[in-house]
Amino acid sequence: DAGVIQSPRHEVTEMGQEVTLRCKPISGHNSLFWYRQTMMRGLELLIYFNNNVPIDDSGMPEDRFSAKMPNASFSTLKIQPSEPRDSAVYFCASSLRGTGGYGYTFGSGTRLTVV
Amino acid sequence: DQQVKQNSPSLSVQEGRISILNCDYTNSMFDYFLWYKKYPAEGPTFLISISSIKDKNEDGRFTVFLNKSAKHLSLHIVPSQPGDSAVYFCAASAGGKLIFGQGTELSVKP
Repeated sequence: DAGVIQSPRHEVTEMGQEVTLRCKPISGHNSLFWYRQTMMRGLELLIYFNNNVPIDDSGMPEDRFSAKMPNASFSTLKIQPSEPRDSAVYFCASSLRGTGGYGYTFGSGTRLTVV
Repeated sequence: DQQVKQNSPSLSVQEGRISILNCDYTNSMFDYFLWYKKYPAEGPTFLISISSIKDKNEDGRFTVFLNKSAKHLSLHIVPSQPGDSAVYFCAASAGGKLIFGQGTELSVKP
């Protein structure tokens, strides 16, 4: 089991550019979550999917952010256009729905820097 | 509006002593509370959880206490070890999703 795989591990981009973060969840997990870690707010839930369907995107900060899950093994988080305040570590996590939270497995994260 | 709050950004403890990490929440509908541990350059990993109908859960050196009337939970680590040095996140579960706090960085000194 390779765990949750995120790419890239680090991304440095210029303000205004489009950024795409990628996630491969654990095979068999049917829930997928995108989180953002900042010093001030800790781990913020951006959006989550059940069975590839977006369930709650209330944490997505602005229309510049979008997420897709075209199939059970792949998800993307896109920021267009990017801004310096988007700089953070973005985590993807997957779980088997109904595990009460302890079944979350996180990826290693993507550290995004927007200059 | 932070539903889960960890008011101490950092904590330093001597090896062998007790570490106590605290967390407050606002939503009475949370059904599970969890603690995750995070090392640098890694994702958070699950440590221990407690159901909202219980007030204590113990797993080895780790014990979580839940005080529902105060909407407060704490994680006790006894005895603390240098390998416990990490960021600890408190989380609460509701509607199939986890809400996390800001994290507390624990440093255990030899």
